[in-house]
Amino acid sequence: QKEVEQDPGPLSVPEGAIVSLNCTYSNSAFQYFMWYRQYSRKGPELLMYTYSSGNKEDGRFTAQVDKSSKYISLFIRDSQPSDSATYLCAMSQGPGTSYGKLTFGQGTILTVHP
Amino acid sequence: DGGITQSPKYLFRKEGQNVTLSCEQNLNHDAMYWYRQDPGQGLRLIYYSQIVNDFQKGDIAEGYSVSREKKESFPLTVTSAQKNPTAFYLCAIGQGEQPQHFGDGTRLSIL
Repeated sequence: QKEVEQDPGPLSVPEGAIVSLNCTYSNSAFQYFMWYRQYSRKGPELLMYTYSSGNKEDGRFTAQVDKSSKYISLFIRDSQPSDSATYLCAMSQGPGTSYGKLTFGQGTILTVHP
Repeated sequence: DGGITQSPKYLFRKEGQNVTLSCEQNLNHDAMYWYRQDPGQGLRLIYYSQIVNDFQKGDIAEGYSVSREKKESFPLTVTSAQKNPTAFYLCAIGQGEQPQHFGDGTRLSIL
């Protein structure tokens, strides 16, 4: 079993829809959670960075962490065609460089059509 | 990403050949990382370095080598011992408690 599981999709939604992306994990030591967006042939770009359980909102994006269920989510409101990309969840036992290793999900391919 | 330069963008390897991928940064970050990305498998850590002249193996270090002679540079060599080198290689940098930031990658293919 992989440490982090993410539904690879692909996920296709109409413009304006609310998108929900999810990851589950098995290692209870994970404390720091990230969402990256990756456009085709580009490197991942950090979207959200959260610590422990709770919600964090940034514009149209909301990251949610439920440590008791070992489940994290990214919600995208009013989705736009420019949101079409692969979304990667990542997690770590420590902040930043203190632990070193990020563990990634497989990535979900999202397409938002006009 | 601004401040992280990976080159070349595309690279081809012949059988039995070693190739070196370049990663340079001008943000004065202490930590640098190499990941490999394959379809459907997310990113996997190859090597990382938190200070000059020191580096550690990641989850899939076999068939790869690195050096960290300068703070701004962390080249990755894919040796002939790596039997399945075709992948997208990503370099990342980190500083303190901030999350890692990535370059735009090098796509390696076999001739």
